[in-house]
This record gives sequence, C-alpha cells and structure tokens, in this order.
Amino acid sequence: DGGITQSPKYLFRKEGQNVTLSCEQNLNHDAMYWYRQDPGQGLRLIYYSQIVNDFQKGDIAEGYSVSREKKESFPLTVTSAQKNPTAFYLCASRGTNSYEQYFGPGTRLTVT
Amino acid sequence: AQRVTQPEKLLSVFKGAPVELKCNYSYSGSPELFWYVQYSRQRLQLLLRHISRESIKGFTADLNKGETSFHLKKPFAQEEDSAMYYCALRGGDNFNKFYFGSGTKLNVKP
Repeated sequence: DGGITQSPKYLFRKEGQNVTLSCEQNLNHDAMYWYRQDPGQGLRLIYYSQIVNDFQKGDIAEGYSVSREKKESFPLTVTSAQKNPTAFYLCASRGTNSYEQYFGPGTRLTVT
Repeated sequence: AQRVTQPEKLLSVFKGAPVELKCNYSYSGSPELFWYVQYSRQRLQLLLRHISRESIKGFTADLNKGETSFHLKKPFAQEEDSAMYYCALRGGDNFNKFYFGSGTKLNVKP
C-alpha cells in the first residue's frame, strides 16, 4: 500500500522536546498538507506546500515548523512551543490539477 | 471566514432506513465542496464532490447555495456505511486550502 506514508504510527515524547513526523509520497504530487485531528474538532490545517521549497501557514501553525526540500517529502516538526501537542497528525497530498487529497495513515503523538 | 459545520457528532440508524448527514458552510465565493469518509482501520478518502453530481455507494449530496448546505443522503443505509464522515470545503488563496467539519459518526444498526 504505497502512495503516501507516515512514520512512525505512534510516537511518544517528553515535554520540552522537539519531535519530527515523517510524510513521504510517491504519487508525484506537488501539493502536500499537514492536519491535526482532535476529538470533536475535525481536521485543522497546520501547514501546506504547493511546490518544493515553498510552504504556507495554515490555521494553527504556531508551535510547528515544516520543510519541503524534496517533492516527495514534507516533514513536520512539533516544537516545544506547541502548547498542546498530543494529537493525531494526518498528512495528505494532491496533484496540481486535481481536487482530491490522498491521506496517509496518520501518526499519533503523545507528549507527557 | 470559511467555515464548515457538521451539527451531529453521532447518527444512528437501522439498516434500510434513510440517512442524511448535515453539512453547512460559510464561504464568500463559489464553494467547492466534498464529502470524505473514514471506515474503521482505513485512511480518510474522498467519497464525492459536489461538482461531479454523481452517486457513490448510493450516496448523493446536493449543494444548496441558498441554505449554504451540502447534506449527504442515502435512501437505504447499509451496515457497511458505518464510518466517520467529514464535509470539506476548498478555498483560501489560489483555492489551495481545505476546511473540514468536525465529522459525523454514522452507525448503521442491523
């Protein structure tokens, strides 16, 4: 089941530590997205990237950072500045002329 | 501001009954709306898009601009329809952002 992958599935960190979540796609998609999913709140956009070396803040970017050095990869770093980092994180990609987002399996991050 | 509202967190129906999952939106331009579905232990995936006006797995959704709604309907629910359903709106600068509702869990009872 290729397409778009996220690793690891579960991640545990101590408070105050930065942590990086991986997102890789082999769909040759230009656009990639990071969402945070909390119970009862749906998906909220953290960052998105339309092309390599370019990315934009979403609605809840504070405490997060991203990079887009390769088309295939869009890692998300959850920094110690994120006040409530424990959540389920979803990555998605989309072809340039397409409306459909393809989602990864998600990473559940727990910070204690 | 763009916003998608799904008022029901949980919807339980019996097999064979009609089902309607509600979605309301706010958007200043011409919206592009979608329904995504997440079955148990599967990834979130696109169910249907308003522009295509097609029926997928028996589900349809009509965009009502006057009521700013995009409700998802199926005349006869099946147990395999049990899943989490998200309404989404495409917007933002260059039409590159997607806004999701909080989701409705559909439970179809035998």
